[in-house]
Amino acid sequence: KNQVEQSPQSLIILEGKNCTLQCNYTVSPFSNLRWYKQDTGRGPVSLTIMTFSENTKSNGRYTATLDADTKQSSLHITASQLSDSASYICVVKRDNAGNMLTFGGGTRLMVKP
Amino acid sequence: SQTIHQWPATLVQPVGSPLSLECTVEGTSNPNLYWYRQAAGRGLQLLFYSIGIGQISSEVPQNLSASRPQDRQFILSSKKLLLSDSGFYLCAWSATGTTGELFFGEGSRLTVL
Repeated sequence: KNQVEQSPQSLIILEGKNCTLQCNYTVSPFSNLRWYKQDTGRGPVSLTIMTFSENTKSNGRYTATLDADTKQSSLHITASQLSDSASYICVVKRDNAGNMLTFGGGTRLMVKP
Repeated sequence: SQTIHQWPATLVQPVGSPLSLECTVEGTSNPNLYWYRQAAGRGLQLLFYSIGIGQISSEVPQNLSASRPQDRQFILSSKKLLLSDSGFYLCAWSATGTTGELFFGEGSRLTVL
């Protein structure tokens, strides 16, 4: 069964600290994996995309990793800011399946001053 | 550039009343269109997707329906709302034959009383 599991479900950190969010998937065949950021009451916005051949990709203070062998991805946030408070959603696209996507349940991050 | 508009932003409706949420996309043609629902504190659930005018696929049986009367217009409807229909509804589009990045609208918060 194609599934995407994220951990932790929620996380509270102090401003300026780093954190790492996890995403494990069983989706096969794999096409790509995206991390989305969803601010409260808004639509999600893509942060980064990881394809099979990519291990690490950075977007400012966000760094995503992908281990296609173990089917795991992580999103590392460096020097967190209050504006990082949001839900982070991992989404995996299957290959040869049109635009069908499998969503993780998200990690709710709260950054406190 | 492409934009997506979704309305109304907020809606409070009594049980048994009808529903119509509208979504339009500008700046692209023949987009894939999606309706998602997000219950409070939960992940995104795909309700309907469309690859073309009049072509609607339903992912979850329910009392909701969707229609695509024009290439860039997607409508979510119900004849009689249930309490369980309350939630945050998101319209999204993606380009055909790409990496599958979803571009979301701002969302519509529906409260059924």
